[in-house]
Amino acid sequence: AQSVTQLGSHVSVSEGALVLLRCNYSSSVPPYLFWYVQYPNQGLQLLLKYTSAATLVKGINGFEAEFKKSETSFHLTKPSAHMSDAAEYFCAVRGPNAGKSTFGDGTTLTVKP
Amino acid sequence: DGGITQSPKYLFRKEGQNVTLSCEQNLNHDAMYWYRQDPGQGLRLIYYSQIVNDFQKGDIAEGYSVSREKKESFPLTVTSAQKNPTAFYLCASSNPGQEEKLFFGSGTQLSVL
Repeated sequence: AQSVTQLGSHVSVSEGALVLLRCNYSSSVPPYLFWYVQYPNQGLQLLLKYTSAATLVKGINGFEAEFKKSETSFHLTKPSAHMSDAAEYFCAVRGPNAGKSTFGDGTTLTVKP
Repeated sequence: DGGITQSPKYLFRKEGQNVTLSCEQNLNHDAMYWYRQDPGQGLRLIYYSQIVNDFQKGDIAEGYSVSREKKESFPLTVTSAQKNPTAFYLCASSNPGQEEKLFFGSGTQLSVL
């Protein structure tokens, strides 16, 4: 069985501040982990993925995430928030196939001017 | 451009009515999926198909039906048996492999009149 927990359903930061979105997972096998972003009334798009190569993964739009096996975490960070980063972010752990991934409940990021 | 097209963007259902959501992809992907998204919740898998003429139930299949007669098309019917159909519905596709990611459509918002 696998699960994903996103800590904090809402995160608010000021423009230019550090963004930190937390994700913890459980998986009985070495996990493949993903972060997706969803803008209002749109589908999800992949930000980045961890697939057992480098533990620090760089994604699009300046985001990165670090896989920490000892902490079972895959937190998403960005050094400096931009207004355009306001969206909902989902962490996911891949299942037997991509479609059977387990998604977290999402974190809504608000960026204040 | 390759991608996934969902239609309509907004759909209204009367009580006792069946409605069908369209999903078409030109990515030549073998696998297609339907998810339901409710506010404050992650994505829940309704049905998935890994190959033409074959599909399996996901976690919340009751009240829904699908078909996969063509590789590029995976329509979802929300039947009258689905008592709480109001949600945002997302279609996705992927290609088999260890690291495959999901490609999402832009979603259909279904509401009950």
